[in-house]
Amino acid sequence: SQQGEEDPQALSIQEGENATMNCSYKTSINNLQWYRQNSGRGLVHLILIRSNEREKHSGRLRVTLDTSKKSSSLLITASRAADTASYFCATVQTGANNLFFGTGTRLTVIP
Amino acid sequence: ETGVTQSPTHLIKTRGQQVTLRCSSQSGHNTVSWYQQALGQGPQFIFQYYREEENGRGNFPPRFSGLQFPNYSSELNVNALELDDSALYLCASRWGQNGADTQYFGPGTRLTVL
Repeated sequence: SQQGEEDPQALSIQEGENATMNCSYKTSINNLQWYRQNSGRGLVHLILIRSNEREKHSGRLRVTLDTSKKSSSLLITASRAADTASYFCATVQTGANNLFFGTGTRLTVIP
Repeated sequence: ETGVTQSPTHLIKTRGQQVTLRCSSQSGHNTVSWYQQALGQGPQFIFQYYREEENGRGNFPPRFSGLQFPNYSSELNVNALELDDSALYLCASRWGQNGADTQYFGPGTRLTVL
C-alpha cells in the first residue's frame, strides 16, 4: 500500500510560474525524498531531507518538512517546460531501509 | 544517467508464464531494491538484496523472487504470471543498506501480461 498522499494529483501552470506540491505521510520517518519521473520511465532523485531538518534547497527546488504534521512540500521556482513530469515523495520509515512512495503529482508546464 | 541499467525494456507475456527481469547496478553499489509501479500509481517495494542476501520484503507473494550475484547485478523472477502483474518494474541500487542513502533507479522494464 502507498505510504501517503500527494496533493494535487495534477497541476498545470504557465512557464515561469512557481509550482508547489504537497505530500502527507502516516508514520514516523528517517527521511523524506522527492523523485521525478518522465513519461513512466525511471525515477530521478531530486532531494533528500532528514527528519531533523525543516527546509532544504537545491537549485530551483525548495523542500520543507513538518514532522509534527507529517507533511512535506516541494516548490519548483521559475518553472520550465522541461519540468513537465510526475513528482513523487517517498519516505524511509524509522527502522526500515526501503522507500514508501506517495501517489504522485502530475505537473504540466505550458510554454 | 544513473549508471543503472535494466533489460529488457519491454516484455509481453501470457497469464501463467514465468518471467525474468535483469538489473545491472551502478559500479560499487552492493544493495539493490526492486519496485513495482502499476499505471497511475507510485512504486511499491517488492524486496531488497544486500550482498546477495534478501534483507527486506514488501507485501508481495512468494512467486516474486530474486537473486543478487557476486558482481551485484540482480534478477527479479515472477512465476505464474497474473494480469495484475502488468506494470513497470524498477530496480534501484545504492552503497550500503542504510535507508538514508540515495537510491539510483534504472529506466525500468514494462511488463504486459495478456
